[in-house]
Formats: sequence, C-alpha cells, structure tokens
Amino acid sequence: KAGVTQTPRYLIKTRGQQVTLSCSPISGHRSVSWYQQTPGQGLQFLFEYFSETQRNKGNFPGRFSGRQFSNSRSEMNVSTLELGDSALYLCASSLTGTENIQYFGAGTRLSVL
Amino acid sequence: KQEVTQIPAALSVPEGENLVLNCSFTDSAIYNLQWFRQDPGKGLTSLLLIQSSQREQTSGRLNASLDKSSGRSTLYIAASQPGDSATYLCAVKTTSGTYKYIFGTGTRLKVLA
Repeated sequence: KAGVTQTPRYLIKTRGQQVTLSCSPISGHRSVSWYQQTPGQGLQFLFEYFSETQRNKGNFPGRFSGRQFSNSRSEMNVSTLELGDSALYLCASSLTGTENIQYFGAGTRLSVL
Repeated sequence: KQEVTQIPAALSVPEGENLVLNCSFTDSAIYNLQWFRQDPGKGLTSLLLIQSSQREQTSGRLNASLDKSSGRSTLYIAASQPGDSATYLCAVKTTSGTYKYIFGTGTRLKVLA
C-alpha cells in the first residue's frame, strides 16, 4: 500500500507570491491534517479535512487555506507569502481522524526569500 | 490551553543502554497520545498510539505508558541501537477546544556505537 505522498518536496518562492502544496493520503483514508514545522515553534496544527469538509482549524491567519477533493487528496494554499512562512509542511492521513494512527508524508520544504 | 513538554531536549547514550524519554501535558482531557520518531529532513513515523482508556502499549523494544491523572507519558527503549538515533516527539489529541494534536518539542536522541 502506498504511503502518504506530498508534492513538491522542495519549493523556493519570494515574498508576496502564493503557493499550493499537495497531499495524497493512503488509499481509504478520509482524514487529512496539515502541520507546519519550524525550528522555533515546532510542529503546529494548521487544519484537518474529512470528507471534503474542514473539520478543525488551528491558529493561523486566513492566508493559509486548504481543501479536500472527493478522492481525499488535499491541497494547501498560502497566499501573500512572508519570510516567516519558511518551514517544513507536513500532511498526515488517517482512516477517520479520531482514534486512528496518523501516517505522515515526507513533507514539503518551503523557502521564502 | 494544552501544553506538551518533553524532557530532556537532547540525549546521548552508548549502544545497548535502556533509556526513558518523558512527555508531560497540562490538560488531562485527551483522546489519545501518540509517540513519533522523526529522522532529519523527513516526515514523522508513528511508533505507538495509546488511547485515553489505556495504560500502556508495547511494540518490539518500545514500551509507552500513559498516566492521564498526572499528565505524563514515558517512552521506554530497551537495548538501544545506533539506528534508534532520531528525534522523538509525543503528541496529545485534545478533547477541549479544537480537536487536534498538540506536539511536544521533541527529544533528540543519539545512540553511540
């Protein structure tokens, strides 16, 4: 069974641009969560999608948004990039998102110049 | 507000030693607690998931315990090996407020051959 796939693996953008990251969950998994990991703040929850609906949201500004498609694939969008958005963005999938183990992708490393 | 703390931040041990990593959390209202390992530049790998009703989980050389009343979990690694070198993160899934995982800052483990 294929694992969680995130694309692209690396991205370099400049301030003010926007970016879209993609996450394909494990087949059959309906919950996809997104996290931001930085050396200073550690791993922080962005949002969770389940059956195409945002079920939970962390404390990030509205520049961070996401969506989930009918095949459970998810995208995350960051508009008007700031230097502080440089981070490793991780997505995790699970069957239902409640009691289940979360499986993480390798992440997308975003550098904002 | 749930806060998760991991001590120590870094640990270096000789191969073969048994070791204990600690995780403490401030709010005992949790659904579950998960231990992960993260290799440099990579995503997270789930090691053990303990439901709130459970006291411990075991997998191979790993044993994790959970004491909700005291807000503590420990990850015990028996007979450590150089391949165990990684950062270990614990995460609690909250039941109050946003239903999400809160991560600790991790313990960076180095096992010396």
